[in-house]
Order: sequence, then structure tokens, then C-alpha cells
Amino acid sequence: QVQLQESGPGLVKPSQTLSLTCTVSGGSISSGNYYWSWIRQPAGKGLEWIGRIYTSGITDYNPSLKSRLTISVDTSKNQFSLRLSSVTAADTAVYYCALQPIRGYYFDYWGQGTLVTVSS
Amino acid sequence: QSVLTQPPSVSAAPGQKVTISCSGSSSNIGNNYVSWYQQLPGTAPKLLLYDNNKRPSGIPDRFSGSKSGTSATLGITGLQTGDEADYYCGTWDSSLTAVIFGGGTKLTVL
Repeated sequence: QVQLQESGPGLVKPSQTLSLTCTVSGGSISSGNYYWSWIRQPAGKGLEWIGRIYTSGITDYNPSLKSRLTISVDTSKNQFSLRLSSVTAADTAVYYCALQPIRGYYFDYWGQGTLVTVSS
Repeated sequence: QSVLTQPPSVSAAPGQKVTISCSGSSSNIGNNYVSWYQQLPGTAPKLLLYDNNKRPSGIPDRFSGSKSGTSATLGITGLQTGDEADYYCGTWDSSLTAVIFGGGTKLTVL
């Protein structure tokens, strides 16, 4: 069974870059069966898809975040990462990494989530 | 405001049935599969249904899904107190070129 674990700073200052890593266990990030995705959820609000990466490095980003967003993959460490630049308080949320099968637009495995607060 | 519209809350008694609607448009639900997620308090979302009505392994058949035109519906029968959670629909939007989710529906089992 695949397991995902997010890690990274819980506090980021405004205008700085938010960086998170998702470590995959119980499966290989090189398997080719999944897109490796990021989703976030502000407190008390709904889910927002951030973007995804394929093993080859091909990415798809939410157009609303695209100008500030970079998702990358490190197959040697079985990890993928998120970098969101120029953050504001509106980027404060629980960030989840999740798996999306290549043949569907749904997410069948999720990390537990990590809270990132943007504040000075 | 979410592109997919869900009722903010629904409620029903234990043992009863409830339905949760998810309304969209031709650029999303109308031409793409819908998925549903259950989010218990303080936990990550859990996939309940995919491809409109398919249940992942381990999801009981009390949970069902359907789609008609630009709307989808989640049905839950034999309600249990443990079903109290937030429920989200999701799909791909071809115009936005993004995965989108509904605003979520809070289910209360009275």
C-alpha cells in the first residue's frame, strides 16, 4: 500500500517561497501509473488542486497559481516537491500530496496533510 | 465560490438515506467523470467513488453515485453516526484546465 508523507516548514514569511516535499513509501515514484499531485485546503474551506507531475517531469499547474508554482520530482529519493513563490496570507492552508491515476481525474491516496501558515 | 455547487449542509436520522448533489456545467461534469470524497474531522479526504459510480476496495455499497447531464449525486443509505463528515465532489474542467472540487457538504446524522 502506497503511503505519502508531507514535510516542510510550518511557517513562511510573506513574499517568501513555500517549499514542501512529499515522500512516497510502499511504491516507486517511477512506476508510471500515477500523476503525483498537490492539493491544498484553507481552514474551514474547500479543496483546491494545485498541480501535478508525471515521472518524466511533465507538469500541469492550476492556472491561478501557475506563475508562482514549481513542482519537481526526485526519483532517486522517491520524492516530489512543491515550491510556491511570493506567498501571502491567502496561501495559508493545509497542503496535501496525493496520487492521481494516469487514466482518471481522481485521487486515491492522500498524505495526512501539513499546515503551512504565512505570517510575519 | 466553487465552480461545482454543493449544498452547504444536509442532515438525516440514523438508518435513513441522504443524497448530496453536485451541479456543474458542460465544461466539467457534463463531459468528465465525477469523483466523491469523504473528509472526517481533522483528517485527509478519502476517495469514496470514482468514474461517477465506482467504489474503491473497502468502500461499502451503502455509498453510491450517479450522473445526469451536468449534475452528479452521492447517495448514502443506512446512515451511521460515523458518516458525519464533509463530502466533496470533484472532476476535470476542460475550460479551466484544472481539477476542480465542489465547496463541500457537511453531513449531520441526527
